[in-house]
Amino acid sequence: GENVEQHPSTLSVQEGDSAVIKCTYSDSASNYFPWYKQELGKGPQLIIDIRSNVGEKKDQRIAVTLNKTAKHFSLHITETQPEDSAVYFCAASKSGNTPLVFGKGTRLSVIA
Amino acid sequence: KAGVTQTPRYLIKTRGQQVTLSCSPISGHRSVSWYQQTPGQGLQFLFEYFSETQRNKGNFPGRFSGRQFSNSRSEMNVSTLELGDSALYLCASSFDVTQYFGPGTRLLVL
Repeated sequence: GENVEQHPSTLSVQEGDSAVIKCTYSDSASNYFPWYKQELGKGPQLIIDIRSNVGEKKDQRIAVTLNKTAKHFSLHITETQPEDSAVYFCAASKSGNTPLVFGKGTRLSVIA
Repeated sequence: KAGVTQTPRYLIKTRGQQVTLSCSPISGHRSVSWYQQTPGQGLQFLFEYFSETQRNKGNFPGRFSGRQFSNSRSEMNVSTLELGDSALYLCASSFDVTQYFGPGTRLLVL
């Protein structure tokens, strides 16, 4: 089955700097890759997703890139702010009716 | 639209008891998935229901079960609770492939 590896497990950045989180997946049939942000005491919130027919997607300060050949995808957050501090999860699925497989998460701390 | 709601938000049970958790999906969403989140194992898929039928099942023992009603609301049940069942149980609803999560039910087994 699918296996998703996520790195780093913790990341500290200064406010205003960029943060990058990387994930690799094992199943070449996977074609949907969402990213979730989870704040303390809350459920995961979808922040951006990408499908395998697209190499990059941006939404304001957040971008995701996908390299299908290498089977990895990354989350980029620019101009980080203290409210970006949270745990971020990547996931992969084969779309349709297959379940999401999650990475172990990255705890991002933005230091003011 | 209202988001995914889960009840109760917190539960304390003792070993051997059973528990039922409830999830109300976003209006119009017919798929409901359940996940268990623990510090050690992360987010693990339990099962998914679509139109009252279990469509996918994760690798959990038979003590974990679920169902979905005609209004798409879903329940999951855990029987004969074990200490290791202490976790945050998350429900997610979807119309297509995009899943939206509820706030979760935090279960503590003593």
